[in-house]
Amino acid sequence: LAKTTQPISMDSYEGQEVNITCSHNNIATNDYITWYQQFPSQGPRFIIQGYKTKVTNEVASLFIPADRKSSTLSLPRVSLSDTAVYYCLVGDMYDSGAGSYQLTFGKGTKLSVIP
Amino acid sequence: GAVVSQHPSRVICKSGTSVKIECRSLDFQATTMFWYRQFPKQSLMLMATSNEGSKATYEQGVEKDKFLINHASLTLSTLTVTSAHPEDSSFYICSASLAGGGLEQFFGPGTRLTVL
Repeated sequence: LAKTTQPISMDSYEGQEVNITCSHNNIATNDYITWYQQFPSQGPRFIIQGYKTKVTNEVASLFIPADRKSSTLSLPRVSLSDTAVYYCLVGDMYDSGAGSYQLTFGKGTKLSVIP
Repeated sequence: GAVVSQHPSRVICKSGTSVKIECRSLDFQATTMFWYRQFPKQSLMLMATSNEGSKATYEQGVEKDKFLINHASLTLSTLTVTSAHPEDSSFYICSASLAGGGLEQFFGPGTRLTVL
């Protein structure tokens, strides 16, 4: 499983765009990159997933360079409700059927949005 | 999206007693469910992988006789903390993956266990 490295914390003002970068130097060919959001005392919530280049959905964008050794989660115009811990995970997309693929959570990035 | 529920949301018990936590996939079948533990201000740590109809696979350092996992159906997995002690107090979270694959896991809301 590829190890990930993220900044421990980030601060941002409301309305700004926030970019959180994750390093995963030993990512494997079959690995996908997934980001989760977690609020205190809640289970993580899926944000976005990608393999290469750029992926965008209604809440975020994910930028992945050609070498795939890093990825950047971009949150446009954050609000106070985006204050949470954001986790970057790397793993194989395909279920082996034995159900043994696993997600390894790193320390995550605590984003604090300031009014 | 797929919904996973957990029950109870919080439980307080006396030291030495056993506590059962249920994890249910409400609108999909989950061949695989995962159990995590999260201590305050720390990340999630995978405890075990639960496959329907077979024995769970425990991570290194997790006592299988203390944390009993049963995955009797495609929509229900249970975690029983036996002979709980104060150091077992933690936030327990389950997740489920869709049958057929995909890296996305759907997480339950978590269960706060406090052992007195």
